[in-house]
Amino acid sequence: AQRVTQPEKLLSVFKGAPVELKCNYSYSGSPELFWYVQYSRQRLQLLLRHISRESIKGFTADLNKGETSFHLKKPFAQEEDSAMYYCALQSGGSYIPTFGRGTSLIVHP
Amino acid sequence: DAMVIQNPRYQVTQFGKPVTLSCSQTLNHNVMYWYQQKSSQAPKLLFHYYDKDFNNEADTPDNFQSRRPNTSFCFLDIRSPGLGDAAMYLCATSTGTGGLTEAFFGQGTRLTVV
Repeated sequence: AQRVTQPEKLLSVFKGAPVELKCNYSYSGSPELFWYVQYSRQRLQLLLRHISRESIKGFTADLNKGETSFHLKKPFAQEEDSAMYYCALQSGGSYIPTFGRGTSLIVHP
Repeated sequence: DAMVIQNPRYQVTQFGKPVTLSCSQTLNHNVMYWYQQKSSQAPKLLFHYYDKDFNNEADTPDNFQSRRPNTSFCFLDIRSPGLGDAAMYLCATSTGTGGLTEAFFGQGTRLTVV
């Protein structure tokens, strides 16, 4: 069975500080990993996917198969980054995402 | 804008009284999902439709049913809500074209059972 673990329920940082939101997964095959974000009073939406290897709003995430991790990073947090962040996994070829419980990121001025 | 719309945003129902949550989409996506999310927990998939094909998760209680009368609409029926069914219910859609496909979410319906 596949599983996504986000160990931190809450991450609180000051503006300009680096941010790392942790995500670990368990899946024996080749996973597709995603980060979704939910800003206050908005719907859950895709932030980035590992296959794209892109930076979105300054965030990047690298898939580390050895450590089964897909941590989300940003070098300098901004107040507008405050949101809930969910890591999601789709097993090879599946269109069904399995989510972690989410991490609430609060960026203080 | 093409989107996923859930109605109502907030629903209060009585213990044991059937309730229906609705979801519509203008994306013309093949797949529609229903997730249940309780406080501080991961969204949990209840079931999904690929076109007209219904796929129930093994641990979804029989109390939860779903209907998809056409491509655009999908309903979640809770036959006899219990206090433990109070949660946020999320509807999502996707093209269903494989592992790279992203899910598009509605804003959710928060269900309260009194």
